[in-house]
This record gives sequence, structure tokens and C-alpha cells, in this order.
Amino acid sequence: DTAVSQTPKYLVTQMGNDKSIKCEQNLGHDTMYWYKQDSKKFLKIMFSYNNKELIINETVPNRFSPKSPDKAHLNLHINSLELGDSAVYFCASSQDLTGRGAFFGQGTRLTVV
Amino acid sequence: AQTVTQSQPEMSVQEAETVTLSCTYDTSENNYYLFWYKQPPSRQMILVIRQEAYKQQNATENRFSVNFQKAAKSFSLKISDSQLGDTAMYFCAFVPSGSARQLTFGSGTQLTVLP
Repeated sequence: DTAVSQTPKYLVTQMGNDKSIKCEQNLGHDTMYWYKQDSKKFLKIMFSYNNKELIINETVPNRFSPKSPDKAHLNLHINSLELGDSAVYFCASSQDLTGRGAFFGQGTRLTVV
Repeated sequence: AQTVTQSQPEMSVQEAETVTLSCTYDTSENNYYLFWYKQPPSRQMILVIRQEAYKQQNATENRFSVNFQKAAKSFSLKISDSQLGDTAMYFCAFVPSGSARQLTFGSGTQLTVLP
């Protein structure tokens, strides 16, 4: 039983295309996140949703748009992909007030060619 | 704003030996949580150990333990009896308690366990 699952695991696409990454968690958590891990392995928050509401939106190009249809899902849509968008994107979830830490999906390696 | 610093980009240790990874952080919060995450070559982010700032006792999980020094804002990870499967990137992370906020990560330490 996968706790946080994201699809696809790998995504290779051409510049200018639009793509989506899906994420689902079955932990009953109320907060979900998207993190970006760059080529130097640095992890940076992109978005955070609490009970389907956007609470954190770091400095991310508006080509990136998160969508949370319900508490268990947080999808990431990217328009007009650029070479610099190539990275690993992680979805995560947490039950924040408990401080138990976030649980991560397996990551999506996005390669823009 | 919080910052997390890991000053050792790479470390290596012989199998069965003990290694300590360093982490310091800066915050004005009084209550918070600290974590160590492991990222093996499979890319999966795995929670290794967590520490609650208001608890003085250092957390322990099997071969993994922490040395938490709140006044010094230091949170090091000790791995005892290192195994080849411990080879991974290790990230220190911080989150304030009591609110839905994101983890702030350090830059990571690549640990290699040598046979």
C-alpha cells in the first residue's frame, strides 16, 4: 500500500509542451506539498496546500499551477516547458500539527529536451 | 526565516564503523521539529529520525541517533555499525510546530559506506 504515490516516475518532453504530474496520498493527511530538487540535489518548496487551500506559493513561475481536487490529491500542471524546468519533482504530505514529518512520493524526473 | 546548514558535502566511512553528520540551523522559533531524511540512489526520500525541540532527550532509532544541542542550534546524526545500504544523501530538515508549514532542508551530505 503506497502512502504517497505520484505519476509518472519519468517524463521526457520537448520544450514548449504542457505536462501534468499527479499525486495521491492515502494517509488521511491534511497538507500536501510540491518540492523541486535541482541538479545539485537541493530541495526547495514550491507549493503547499492545506485542506485543498493554497497556503504557500514560493517564487515559482506562473507556468506552474497546482490543483487540489480534494484533500488526497495534489496535481502539478506545467505550461510551456523550458529547459530549466528539468529536475526531480517530489510530492509530499503531512499531518502538520503532529510534527511527524512529511512523507514523500518517489519523485518524478522531468527532462525537457 | 529559517535556514539549515550542512557543512559536509561528502563523507565516507568504513563498513561497521561509526560516522557523524553535522547540521546547524537558525530560527527565532521556540517550538519546532528537526528531521533527518535519507535519499538513496533510488531517489526515494525516507524519514530516518525526528526530534522535538522541547524534548531534551536525544532521539534514537536502532543504529541511528541524534545529538541535539538546542542552545547551539545543532542537530547531528550518528550512524553506528554502518552498512553498505546506508550509502545515500542525507538531508537535515526543520519545521516550526503548530502550523501547516513546509520543511526547510539543508543542502545534504553524500555518505558513502566503503566495504
